[in-house]
Amino acid sequence: EPEVTQTPSHQVTQMGQEVILRCVPISNHLYFYWYRQILGQKVEFLVSFYNNEISEKSEIFDDQFSVERPDGSNFTLKIRSTKLEDSAMYFCASSGFGQAQHFGDGTRLSIL
Amino acid sequence: GESVGLHLPTLSVQEGDNSIINCAYSNSASDYFIWYKQESGKGPQFIIDIRSNMDKRQGQRVTVLLNKTVKHLSLQIAATQPGDSAVYFCAEILIQGAQKLVFGQGTRLTINP
Repeated sequence: EPEVTQTPSHQVTQMGQEVILRCVPISNHLYFYWYRQILGQKVEFLVSFYNNEISEKSEIFDDQFSVERPDGSNFTLKIRSTKLEDSAMYFCASSGFGQAQHFGDGTRLSIL
Repeated sequence: GESVGLHLPTLSVQEGDNSIINCAYSNSASDYFIWYKQESGKGPQFIIDIRSNMDKRQGQRVTVLLNKTVKHLSLQIAATQPGDSAVYFCAEILIQGAQKLVFGQGTRLTINP
């Protein structure tokens, strides 16, 4: 069964540094998403992406965040200047139109 | 407002018993609902979905019931197994097109031997 893959599984970064989290969505999906989950809390929506542009973003997704689909297979989330409160699990998901989103196993981001 | 809630944060059942996990949603405009299972260290895993034009849908050992009148969703798991131990989230899609999922806090299901 096709699946969403994310790399790295764990990223440790100094506060203020830039990080790029990478995702390979399911190949025939057209909608892409990033969510995050702070330890012990619920999964929160960050951004949705379709047709090479952002469809919707949450309040969390401020100017420090950006997304990109640099080629036909990858989907990335960049945090320009990380803060301590950015520490969380970041999940990538993809879907077809009107279909359930399928999630990767996440990247654990630890900001020191 | 925008919220998806779960009635119980934890649920313990005996192996082999049936379990029911409940969820209340607030937006009557939501037209698509999904149950996810999350095991430790993994991402949410799709279990079953239901659209607002249905009130019941069955999968393998799982059934989802939707009551639009009271905005309530439930997940029934038959003959629970140790592998069913996980956190279960309901999620609703509030906006067609952008398809943003709104998750509840989750219910931790523990299967006792």
